[in-house]
Amino acid sequence: ELKVEQNPLFLSMQEGKNYTIYCNYSTTSDRLYWYRQDPGKSLESLFVLLSNGAVKQEGRLMASLDTKARLSTLHITAAVHDLSATYFCAGPLNNNDMRFGAGTRLTVKP
Amino acid sequence: EAGVAQSPRYKIIEKRQSVAFWCNPISGHATLYWYQQILGQGPKLLIQFQNNGVVDDSQLPKDRFSAERLKGVDSTLKIQPAKLEDSAVYLCASSLTTSVYNEQFFGPGTRLTVL
Repeated sequence: ELKVEQNPLFLSMQEGKNYTIYCNYSTTSDRLYWYRQDPGKSLESLFVLLSNGAVKQEGRLMASLDTKARLSTLHITAAVHDLSATYFCAGPLNNNDMRFGAGTRLTVKP
Repeated sequence: EAGVAQSPRYKIIEKRQSVAFWCNPISGHATLYWYQQILGQGPKLLIQFQNNGVVDDSQLPKDRFSAERLKGVDSTLKIQPAKLEDSAVYLCASSLTTSVYNEQFFGPGTRLTVL
């Protein structure tokens, strides 16, 4: 069964700093997704990573996928307060059955 | 393009009562999902529909939860009777089955509180 583990679960960082969130998954998966969730809101799709070595960037966020290491990373560059949210990674167990990590709650402080 | 719609947004009931949630997916999306998200956790898949057929309901507590998608569009999720541990946000999502991304789009969710 696919297990998805994120770390850290809680992250407090200062504006302007860089940091990386890690997502490990337990079985072979050719796809990995990153979502953002603001408090009281639904999930917003950030990145879809489809192949080994895939790298995608949007603003201050960059996601990568290493299928051999079963690892995805979400790198935050020069954090700003607006990035404060919970970030989830998720992988498909089969077909469309998505398994989510527990989430990383990010707080960016001025 | 309109997103996934859900109603109600909030519901408070007492234990042993029944409750139903409604979801309207993005137009043209054949696949519909119901997730349960307990506070502080990631969403957990309850059931997945492909058109009006069930693809996966292995994590649905069938003694109290039921779901249907009769015409392959809208869907309802019912809990009868509710327990305290059912307090959670119930998220509906949809996807274009033919999309290579298989990306799921989520609705705003229904926050259920069971007292």
